[in-house]
Amino acid sequence: AQKITQTQPGMFVQEKEAVTLDCTYDTSDQSYGLFWYKQPSSGEMIFLIYQGSYDEQNATEGRYSLNFQKARKSANLVISASQLGDSAMYFCAMREGWGNNDMRFGAGTRLTVKP
Amino acid sequence: DGGITQSPKYLFRKEGQNVTLSCEQNLNHDAMYWYRQDPGQGLRLIYYSQIVNDFQKGDIAEGYSVSREKKESFPLTVTSAQKNPTAFYLCASSIRQGNNEQFFGPGTRLTVL
Repeated sequence: AQKITQTQPGMFVQEKEAVTLDCTYDTSDQSYGLFWYKQPSSGEMIFLIYQGSYDEQNATEGRYSLNFQKARKSANLVISASQLGDSAMYFCAMREGWGNNDMRFGAGTRLTVKP
Repeated sequence: DGGITQSPKYLFRKEGQNVTLSCEQNLNHDAMYWYRQDPGQGLRLIYYSQIVNDFQKGDIAEGYSVSREKKESFPLTVTSAQKNPTAFYLCASSIRQGNNEQFFGPGTRLTVL
């Protein structure tokens, strides 16, 4: 069964506007971590933001914030004030359990920022 | 600087040949991973290792083999048994305990002719 679902294959946003990339997950564990990575055309994977299942506050890192809705099992990434350099693939990922090292990735969303 | 290195960036091999992709890290991480990425797709886990001399199969281990003789190194061999080996291969490492992010290498793009 799919553990991480990203339903938006592609998204477009105007420069300087905010955009939300969707991610839903499936787990029966109480302890888990949710991650977002950015993959530019060069192929490297860049870690953006992390949300723990027990964290009460939504995670924020600069222009990135994670809209964590535990009951709905969603962990959407919000990018504020989009820049042309934000154009890339974005992957949502989950790590279940504590000390369990297996990380599962979604299929990704390709974000294109228009000037 | 600490990080993960993968070499080479591009690799070409003839069909039927085994090929080994290197992955080295100097982050002192216990856990290391190999992923495969096909065009327009997400990452799929091939193998991972939580500690030296130990490793586990991921979702698509068939046709691949690994070794973990040193903490810093986790080479991946793509064997001739792998039916569609042409792909982008990413190596990652992380702290073993807790929910910590994985750090990725720059990847190796393997093309089998």
